Amino acid sequence: DVKVTQSSRYLVKRTGEKVFLECVQDMDHENMFWYRQDPGLGLRLIYFSYDVKMKEKGDIPEGYSVSREKKERFSLILESASTNQTSMYLCASSLEAGQAYGYTFGSGTRLTVV
Amino acid sequence: QKEVEQNSGPLSVPEGAIASLNCTYSDRGSQSFFWYRQYSGKSPELIMSIYSNGDKEDGRFTAQLNKASQYVSLLIRDSQPSDSATYLCAVTGNFNKFYFGSGTKLNVKP
Repeated sequence: DVKVTQSSRYLVKRTGEKVFLECVQDMDHENMFWYRQDPGLGLRLIYFSYDVKMKEKGDIPEGYSVSREKKERFSLILESASTNQTSMYLCASSLEAGQAYGYTFGSGTRLTVV
Repeated sequence: QKEVEQNSGPLSVPEGAIASLNCTYSDRGSQSFFWYRQYSGKSPELIMSIYSNGDKEDGRFTAQLNKASQYVSLLIRDSQPSDSATYLCAVTGNFNKFYFGSGTKLNVKP
């Protein structure tokens, strides 16, 4: 089975800190995605990537950036953390034909910004 | 307008009953449709996919798709307490992006 690993399960950071969330997948998937999930708002796409060094903005990219230097690793960066970025962050990956196979999600990182 | 709409619930059904979960979507060009199950505090896991109009069965789960009416549904037969979770509908958009509904919370009462 494809495994998508997020480096931290829980994080607590201070306002203004630069925060790195790491995601690694082990099945050579082309596509990787970062979502945040908030009660009542569902899953919202922050950024996604089709290939190494490629990135595309999702629906809510403000305040975030990403890095994909290697195919298996997709990092989400909060440039200056704010309390409204307190959320559950979910990484996902899919084959190139993701529309046929769906996503595999990591276990999530619950980030609290204080 | 949200791309994918779901009733947030909670939907309560007795153990052994059929649970029916519904989802509507706005993009007529969507080609692939998925149902994910998410237990509290966990990440979503894929349980069903459907691409063609009609029904697709997998064990106790049946997905139904009607592209003309732009809805997709999930039936869970012989519901069990372990089925209690939030069910997310996902619809594909451009560039392999998925659009997710907010989810329907299902409670199966013993």
